[in-house]
Amino acid sequence: SQQGEEDPQALSIQEGENATMNCSYKTSINNLQWYRQNSGRGLVHLILIRSNEREKHSGRLRVTLDTSKKSSSLLITASRAADTASYFCAEPFSGNTPLVFGKGTRLSVIA
Amino acid sequence: KAGVTQTPRYLIKTRGQQVTLSCSPISGHRSVSWYQQTPGQGLQFLFEYFSETQRNKGNFPGRFSGRQFSNSRSEMNVSTLELGDSALYLCASSLGLQGETQYFGPGTRLLVL
Repeated sequence: SQQGEEDPQALSIQEGENATMNCSYKTSINNLQWYRQNSGRGLVHLILIRSNEREKHSGRLRVTLDTSKKSSSLLITASRAADTASYFCAEPFSGNTPLVFGKGTRLSVIA
Repeated sequence: KAGVTQTPRYLIKTRGQQVTLSCSPISGHRSVSWYQQTPGQGLQFLFEYFSETQRNKGNFPGRFSGRQFSNSRSEMNVSTLELGDSALYLCASSLGLQGETQYFGPGTRLLVL
């Protein structure tokens, strides 16, 4: 399956700590995207990193991409309680679907 | 710009009934995709419409269908509902280039009893 896999499945940290989530995928990609979903709501796009990029920043978010290992990581620095959500990586699967999502990492930030 | 809207937000149906969900994309977006999200299967792609044509289809039975209108609004229909169809149905819109950023609506939560 093309579906990406996030790791860990769940993560619980204290406010102010950093949170790192990883994503592995199986085939070549044009880009990889990260989304956030608050409980039972729609997904919000966080960041898109293209296959020729190795690192990208957006505010407290840092995404890295290692195409040789077919993996990406999302780092949230100085986490806040409002960062509590599920985080998904997604990559386009050419020929069939616009985006294929992994199962997600459920992040809990404890105040 | 207004975001993606979905109606209704919540729906309760019984087995065997049919349901129609609606999605209004962001103004100017021509692509609308539908996803089903369940705790067990996660986010699964249903289908994508672009300029009133179904461009991609996921691995779902024929009971799941959709369409897109000339104003890019989209509807999806599920006939002969089963208990397993209980899920959050998410609609996402984009300009139309495959693999680009998707903008999601809040979802329609369907409960089949």
